[in-house]
Amino acid sequence: DQQVKQNSPSLSVQEGRISILNCDYTNSMFDYFLWYKKYPAEGPTFLISISSIKDKNEDGRFTVFLNKSAKHLSLHIVPSQPGDSAVYFCAASQAGTALIFGKGTTLSVSS
Amino acid sequence: SAVISQKPSRDICQRGTSLTIQCQVDSQVTMMFWYRQQPGQSLTLIATANQGSEATYESGFVIDKFPISRPNLTFSTLTVSNMSPEDSSIYLCSVLVFSQNTEAFFGQGTRLTVV
Repeated sequence: DQQVKQNSPSLSVQEGRISILNCDYTNSMFDYFLWYKKYPAEGPTFLISISSIKDKNEDGRFTVFLNKSAKHLSLHIVPSQPGDSAVYFCAASQAGTALIFGKGTTLSVSS
Repeated sequence: SAVISQKPSRDICQRGTSLTIQCQVDSQVTMMFWYRQQPGQSLTLIATANQGSEATYESGFVIDKFPISRPNLTFSTLTVSNMSPEDSSIYLCSVLVFSQNTEAFFGQGTRLTVV
């Protein structure tokens, strides 16, 4: 049973527009959520995180929104840049244990 | 933060052989995690490596196939034993760092191809 789901395997966006990546989870005990970006042949790179006590966290062009009642979070990238093209993973953790990852969404930003 | 050095970065191995992957962290951490990413798939947790005790394996992964060592708080190894082509994957080690936020850091990954 997949506890963290990214239902869109890919997303294409034009440069300058907003990219919205979505993630759903099933385990209500998750208390920390993270987004990672991954380029081929590299390990995942941390982007932004949010605690379950918050509903929004912003860092530059990246904003993560958390809707606990819907067990849904999203990553907004504004404005999108070609260098943002990568695979984005949503991950969740419960009480500081290992991260559980979604399958990832491949973002392509065209110029 | 934490910097993790993982090696080898890639290898091509014959079926039936074993490969040991090493991860060195630049700071002491309690738990290290080993993940596998099969082509087109998510990162799947293999096991949690604890210093001074046996690793804790996730469902579908067993110690005989993926023995793990954790001799100290900065180092761990994962061995992929008796390899088959189905073991071809990217293997990653990771640590959690607890500060103002909780963040996981990853090694660069080991791309394993079994022929």
